Amino acid sequence: GAGVSQSPSNKVTEKGKDVELRCDPISGHTALYWYRQSLGQGLEFLIYFQGNSAPDKSGLPSDRFSAERTGGSVSTLTIQRTQQEDSAVYLCASSLEAGDSQYFGAGTRLSVL
Amino acid sequence: GDSVTQMEGPVTLSEEAFLTINCTYTATGYPSLFWYVQYPGEGLQLLLKATKADDKGSNKGFEATYRKETTSFHLEKGSVQVSDSAVYFCALSGKSGGSNYKLTFGKGTLLTVNP
Repeated sequence: GAGVSQSPSNKVTEKGKDVELRCDPISGHTALYWYRQSLGQGLEFLIYFQGNSAPDKSGLPSDRFSAERTGGSVSTLTIQRTQQEDSAVYLCASSLEAGDSQYFGAGTRLSVL
Repeated sequence: GDSVTQMEGPVTLSEEAFLTINCTYTATGYPSLFWYVQYPGEGLQLLLKATKADDKGSNKGFEATYRKETTSFHLEKGSVQVSDSAVYFCALSGKSGGSNYKLTFGKGTLLTVNP
């Protein structure tokens, strides 16, 4: 596609439920990144994929967070047993190769009630 | 670890005023430096970048020069417009394990330009 696509754009869920956030990167981009944007913490790195493997998961805040990437393309970020502090905008970015300029999607705004 | 410090603002200017948003960084080695812009209700857009010392990135009238001696990457524009109103983020992409990857961001600076 023309840009990084994320879905859904907004997600409202109840505390304790699981959610899945999807990212479709720019075609041909081998590197994919997830970030989180919240008022208190600013923009934080979560996880990085090179192809289908994740060399760096150091930013995932807890074991309730996981992510996968299949076919070197689409990625899914899963949050299990959501908590109110998980409320944030989750941003996905992709780059042609690791270290190249990163291009961001519009994000998924997650609200945990 | 890597870090970015930028003036937090908010910054309010009149149209055609000169803009400077300061950004300094701490990183090992030679990071790449970026400015991203977030317009109201939109995602992050890459504004400009510089990959080595003394490089100048420029786009849409904005400029920033990679100053290794002062570890700075200040954003400037000679004459701002109302349409420049947005949040501006300074960021770096460092090297870890031999590979560049994650971006480390500053906290963002809200710019409001009044007519």
